[in-house]
Amino acid sequence: GENVGLHLPTLSVQEGDNSIINCAYSNSASDYFIWYKQESGKGPQFIIDIRSNMDKRQGQRVTVLLNKTVKHLSLQIAATQPGDSAVYFCAENNGDNFNKFYFGSGTKLNVKP
Amino acid sequence: GAVVSQHPSWVICKSGTSVKIECRSLDFQATTMFWYRQFPKQSLMLMATSNEGSKATYEQGVEKDKFLINHASLTLSTLTVTSAHPEDSSFYICSAPDRGNYGYTFGSGTRLTVV
Repeated sequence: GENVGLHLPTLSVQEGDNSIINCAYSNSASDYFIWYKQESGKGPQFIIDIRSNMDKRQGQRVTVLLNKTVKHLSLQIAATQPGDSAVYFCAENNGDNFNKFYFGSGTKLNVKP
Repeated sequence: GAVVSQHPSWVICKSGTSVKIECRSLDFQATTMFWYRQFPKQSLMLMATSNEGSKATYEQGVEKDKFLINHASLTLSTLTVTSAHPEDSSFYICSAPDRGNYGYTFGSGTRLTVV
């Protein structure tokens, strides 16, 4: 699969603070990225996506930034809540098959009350 | 929204036996289903892609004779772990493309423990 990796395996933040989770990818041809949240023992849940023709996309309390120059994307969570505690994965589309994604190694987010 | 129902949620089996995992798309037709495996504290690893009406395609390093995939209909895909061994113990997750939006929809996963 594609080499999609994360800089920080574990991130601890205080409730109410902002969180930033980073992800690096290696395939410059990738044109679609998704951030997923996975709670323990459950399947991943879609958070937000971004296409390569954009460098920023905002959702509810979440923002994804894409830097194609350095092949890096990040997930920003505003006012982090205890319910945000989970493992977060970025997933990269390999450019050949729109629906085929490869996942990064994941970052565990711990939100301290 | 799109829902993929995966069963069983967990299973314990003896070494050497086979286990079947089912994934059903409940409110949409899934011509394609992706199967992932996830070891503890690790990421999802794509194992194979099942396509309705044709043979599954497997990722490099995944044994197709060990992980049998069948996509019998537009709403059902199955993964059978044959002659399971303890090293096959893992969390198996299916997903299907959601034509509406949001990439694709995941099942809730199956925790397989081989003893």
